[in-house]
Amino acid sequence: QQQVKQSPQSLIVQKGGISIINCAYENTAFDYFPWYQQFPGKGPALLIAIRPDVSEKKEGRFTISFNKSAKQFSLHIMDSQPGDSATYFCAAGDSGGYQKVTFGIGTKLQVIP
Amino acid sequence: GAVVSQHPSRVICKSGTSVKIECRSLDFQATTMFWYRQFPKQSLMLMATSNEGSKATYEQGVEKDKFLINHASLTLSTLTVTSAHPEDSSFYICSAGQTSGSEQYFGPGTRLLVL
Repeated sequence: QQQVKQSPQSLIVQKGGISIINCAYENTAFDYFPWYQQFPGKGPALLIAIRPDVSEKKEGRFTISFNKSAKQFSLHIMDSQPGDSATYFCAAGDSGGYQKVTFGIGTKLQVIP
Repeated sequence: GAVVSQHPSRVICKSGTSVKIECRSLDFQATTMFWYRQFPKQSLMLMATSNEGSKATYEQGVEKDKFLINHASLTLSTLTVTSAHPEDSSFYICSAGQTSGSEQYFGPGTRLLVL
């Protein structure tokens, strides 16, 4: 059972455009929703995270939108740059689960000049 | 802050041998560390949760006797792949969480190739 569904699996965006990645979850116990960025051959790095008590969180060019009733959340990358080309993973965790998170399948983003 | 290291970064071994991978939290104490496995172009799959001073909790389908985990201190966890086979070749990644808070910080990963 895929607890966190992520789409699209690949995305091509022109430089300066907006990249949007969507995730949906099923387990209502999840209360922590991080996004990770991974470059080839490297471990994932925490990009931004949100909790269900807010509907949006922005850090620089990265924004998470969260819809608790729909059990969906998304990552928006504004003014996408070639350096943003990487694989992005959404994840969901349960605070009672000792920081354990479940990952989405990943989205390979390519930003073309 | 919140740096996690792994050693080695890559290892090649012969089939049937054992390989140990270390995961260290460099600037914080981690009561819980996690071990993941990632196949090419796939997501991270949690293998086990490692708790300092106690036995690891393995995910369904992960062989405890094959993937030995030891969490001897608040800054070090090790994963030993015993009697490695070519199908164990993968990218192994650890993560650690601070005692308070939900964030996990990931190591750079270890590429294992079993010949």
